[in-house]
Amino acid sequence: DIQMTQSPSSLPASLGDRVTITCRASQDIGNYLRWFQQKPGKSPRLMIYGATNLAAGVPSRFSGSRSGSDYSLTISSLESEDMADYYCLQSKESPFTFGSGTKLEIK
Amino acid sequence: EVQLVESGGGLVQPGRSLKLSCLASGFTFSNYGMNWIRQAPGKGLEWVASISSSSSYIYYADTVKGRFTISRDNAKNTLYLQMTSLRSEDTALYYCARTGLDYWGQGVMVTVSS
Repeated sequence: DIQMTQSPSSLPASLGDRVTITCRASQDIGNYLRWFQQKPGKSPRLMIYGATNLAAGVPSRFSGSRSGSDYSLTISSLESEDMADYYCLQSKESPFTFGSGTKLEIK
Repeated sequence: EVQLVESGGGLVQPGRSLKLSCLASGFTFSNYGMNWIRQAPGKGLEWVASISSSSSYIYYADTVKGRFTISRDNAKNTLYLQMTSLRSEDTALYYCARTGLDYWGQGVMVTVSS
């Protein structure tokens, strides 16, 4: 099975900061990588698909990138509404696997 | 507007069975694959199962293979998850999601406890 190693698990940050969350794939997944945002008590929301493509309605301060087997979600200037949990997911092959999650919180 | 509404959750004893449903609306259900994803209390997301639009392709997580069955009725716009031999570790909020994971339901809670 493909393992997705996500870091950090917790990320204290200040409003206006540039923040980056990373997932490393244990095998080649190409660009079959999605990022999700989840706020307390809410269903996950798709933010990025195909590793770099912004999902509909997602603010442009969010971006996705890839360097080899490392995939990153970057928020260019953190806003209060961005405080949430973030998860990556590989959908290259079954079983699809999520990263362990990153809790983005106010410093 | 795309809507996915799960139902069928509840409290069930270990070893028993439960069947979840997910009613879809706002899109042509028969054109899309579907997924079940779960989240144990306070934990991360876990993909459970996927089914293609015509039910030709079905995949399961190793943790549920042989115990859970995903199915669909395109005439009723409904996705199902039949869960048998339930264990305490199956306790979670179960979400249905459209292929691409661009739309999710609100989730339905399943609690396995004696």
